[in-house]
Amino acid sequence: DVKVTQSSRYLVKRTGEKVFLECVQDMDHENMFWYRQDPGLGLRLIYFSYDVKMKEKGDIPEGYSVSREKKERFSLILESASTNQTSMYLCASIRTGTYNEQFFGPGTRLTVL
Amino acid sequence: AQKITQTQPGMFVQEKEAVTLDCTYDTSDPSYGLFWYKQPSSGEMIFLIYQGSYDQQNATEGRYSLNFQKARKSANLVISASQLGDSAMYFCAMREQDSGAGSYQLTFGKGTKLSVIP
Repeated sequence: DVKVTQSSRYLVKRTGEKVFLECVQDMDHENMFWYRQDPGLGLRLIYFSYDVKMKEKGDIPEGYSVSREKKERFSLILESASTNQTSMYLCASIRTGTYNEQFFGPGTRLTVL
Repeated sequence: AQKITQTQPGMFVQEKEAVTLDCTYDTSDPSYGLFWYKQPSSGEMIFLIYQGSYDQQNATEGRYSLNFQKARKSANLVISASQLGDSAMYFCAMREQDSGAGSYQLTFGKGTKLSVIP
């Protein structure tokens, strides 16, 4: 079974802190995604990566950066966390050439105080 | 304009009854895919069913079926014989060939919260 894991289920940080959210998938997928989920807004794409060291902005990249140094790992970075980044963050992956499912991780619920 | 519209913020259904969750979409792309995901209170997104725009038949997966009406641009999820464990948020999503993210980006609706009543 494809497995996408995220480093933390719950995270509490303070305003101004640098925050790293880690995502690892074990199925050699080329494409990885970071979404943000807020009540009433659904999921919105922050960044995606289609290969190692490659990244593209999604719909809401402001305030975030990403890193993909290894194929299995995709990190989301909040350089200076703010309260409006309190949210649920979901990582997903999919193999190039397949279109019928994205596999999601369990999510990280981040609270910025 | 919203690409995916889910007009029902919340729904109730009696256990063992069938329920339909509505989803309409907007695209000019001839090639696209439609997805339904379930999100229980634990937060994980669980893939339920997929329908490709060129698929001739409606997709089915166990108790889940997708009522695909291409001309109306609707992709409603039908859950038969509801169970208590079906209580969750349900999201409709679309992948377009010409979307960003190498055509893999999903655009999600705002979700429908389904509550199954014993």
